[in-house]
Amino acid sequence: GAGVSQSPSNKVTEKGKDVELRCDPISGHTALYWYRQSLGQGLEFLIYFQGNSAPDKSGLPSDRFSAERTGGSVSTLTIQRTQQEDSAVYLCASSFRTGMNTEAFFGQGTRLTVV
Amino acid sequence: GENVEQHPSTLSVQEGDSAVIKCTYSDSASNYFPWYKQELGKGPQLIIDIRSNVGEKKDQRIAVTLNKTAKHFSLHITETQPEDSAVYFCAASRRSSASKIIFGSGTRLSIRP
Repeated sequence: GAGVSQSPSNKVTEKGKDVELRCDPISGHTALYWYRQSLGQGLEFLIYFQGNSAPDKSGLPSDRFSAERTGGSVSTLTIQRTQQEDSAVYLCASSFRTGMNTEAFFGQGTRLTVV
Repeated sequence: GENVEQHPSTLSVQEGDSAVIKCTYSDSASNYFPWYKQELGKGPQLIIDIRSNVGEKKDQRIAVTLNKTAKHFSLHITETQPEDSAVYFCAASRRSSASKIIFGSGTRLSIRP
């Protein structure tokens, strides 16, 4: 009966390495969102998946960032050649986007530190 | 592109007083306006939302108002309590199947005992 699950909860990586962040949405939710939250800042939109539609990638900050959603469920956010400015909390959310029911449920986030 | 502005960035009120947070949005097609509360170390959680066919909605000590003409919406918390201390985010989206949710920059609310 879980909510949105993200792993790992914390990740420390060396500058230049690639990282993968995972999101398990609530079962049956067709929409999945990734946001980035830098220390003390707001929620920066990264990418949005809705069913079988092409994802909205308009928030990805550079071509080092990519995301996939396999089988309409689990999503992976990949950051290649990490930089120190990539350090932030990465939040995933999912929603059952139909009709009036559009609440987005957030996971606890992955805190990424690039050293 | 779409943008949501939120003010103030920080707010400190005496326990028992009211708190008001204001937001404006740029996308005139937006018709769904949720408010989220984020406690330390946790993901944001929905506390109330309003749709464009409604001007005001209330849930116990929390109320939201929406002015579609001016593209403004506000969160009002009355009789504030220590557990109201958190970061609050407003957001806007189109209630369609292919629309992202755009968040404001957040308001850090502190309740003074």
